[in-house]
Amino acid sequence: GAGVSQSPRYKVAKRGQDVALRCDPISGHVSLFWYQQALGQGPEFLTYFQNEAQLDKSGLPSDRFFAERPEGSVSTLKIQRTQQEDSAVYLCASSPPFSMNTEAFFGQGTRLTVV
Amino acid sequence: AQTVTQSQPEMSVQEAETVTLSCTYDTSESDYYLFWYKQPPSRQMILVIRQEAYKQQNATENRFSVNFQKAAKSFSLKISDSQLGDAAMYFCAYRRGGATNKLIFGTGTLLAVQP
Repeated sequence: GAGVSQSPRYKVAKRGQDVALRCDPISGHVSLFWYQQALGQGPEFLTYFQNEAQLDKSGLPSDRFFAERPEGSVSTLKIQRTQQEDSAVYLCASSPPFSMNTEAFFGQGTRLTVV
Repeated sequence: AQTVTQSQPEMSVQEAETVTLSCTYDTSESDYYLFWYKQPPSRQMILVIRQEAYKQQNATENRFSVNFQKAAKSFSLKISDSQLGDAAMYFCAYRRGGATNKLIFGTGTLLAVQP
């Protein structure tokens, strides 16, 4: 596709429910990032993939958060047993094969509301 | 750890006037990159301008320019001839050189453009 695509755009989950957020990166982009953006804040790094390898998951806030990218393309961020503090916009970004000038291209995000 | 600080939660500018958004950062790295991103209500992060730390010359992109003061660790964005479409949240971001290339964002500045 022309850009990074995320689905769904909006998700309302009841507390305790599991959710799965999808990211379709730009074709050919090997790097993929997930960020969490709380209301009124800047995005915060969650995890990073290079192709199918998850090279950095230091930003995942708890073991309820899990991300995968099994074929090195589409990625899914899964949150188990959602809690109210998980309410945020989840942004996905992808970038081409790494070079110093690599720019990250962002999707429009998924707004998750936990009620 | 690297940090990015934006001390102006909100700014306002008259259409066709000039406005400057402030950003400071803290790092012990010598190789890094700085960015300004624009986030409209659609939530998609759009790259406005990028500065490589090793370059002394300030980056410029049409009506957007930066004042990069490396010793002071300051990276401000100047928007000239402001337009209504410039109204958005603006985030300053840091990325160290190297393989990880995750972005560290400030808390953002909400820019309003008055007609």
